[in-house]
Amino acid sequence: EVQLVESGGGLVQPGGSLRLSCAASGFTFSSVYMRWVRQAPGKGLEWVGRIKSKADGETIDYAVPVKARFTISRDDSKNTLYLQMNDLKTEDTAMYYCTTSLWSGEILKVDQWGQGTLVTVSS
Amino acid sequence: QSVLTQPPSASGTPGQRVTISCSGSSSNIGSHYVYWYHQLPGTAPKLLIYKNNQRPSGVPDRFSGSKSGTSASLAISGLRSEDEANYYCLVWDDSLSGRVFGGGTKLTVL
Repeated sequence: EVQLVESGGGLVQPGGSLRLSCAASGFTFSSVYMRWVRQAPGKGLEWVGRIKSKADGETIDYAVPVKARFTISRDDSKNTLYLQMNDLKTEDTAMYYCTTSLWSGEILKVDQWGQGTLVTVSS
Repeated sequence: QSVLTQPPSASGTPGQRVTISCSGSSSNIGSHYVYWYHQLPGTAPKLLIYKNNQRPSGVPDRFSGSKSGTSASLAISGLRSEDEANYYCLVWDDSLSGRVFGGGTKLTVL
């Protein structure tokens, strides 16, 4: 069974840091691209960033609002995705989801999301 | 303010056909695949359409996607009460060098 489990969320003061983790199981983690998506309370979905597989250079792309403050990384030996968040702002308050897509050629077999972890930035 | 424009709301009665639009530009919809998600309150989003018009296994054929130029649409036929949810389009944007979601459309089944 494909599964993604996020952890690490919590309450942090503005300017603080937090590291989120996403533990993956049920698929070959090292072969897939991984993404972070967030959703502020009562708001729409916002794409945060993506990290490609090592075979594709582990290239990372970020959304403009988080660039230079957030860092996405992966540890394929631990089947884990990370999101290091620095200089947090109140507008970063959101549910953070990790997500991935599993393909068989051109056919999408699974689009998997975790249950999310809540980050609250407040003084 | 997203670079992808969706109507904030849509509605229909059971059995009706409704469409939700997603308007973009040449740097996103005009040159990349469109994906559609729906989301019930308190739950993770679920993929409905990928690569403009492909349905993942398990998604009913009541849901269909299309794209023309710099706009895309999601059509839902035979509307059901359980279709009441928020719907989002998602596309890669060359100018932003990243993916972007539309602002979302809240569908109400009357």
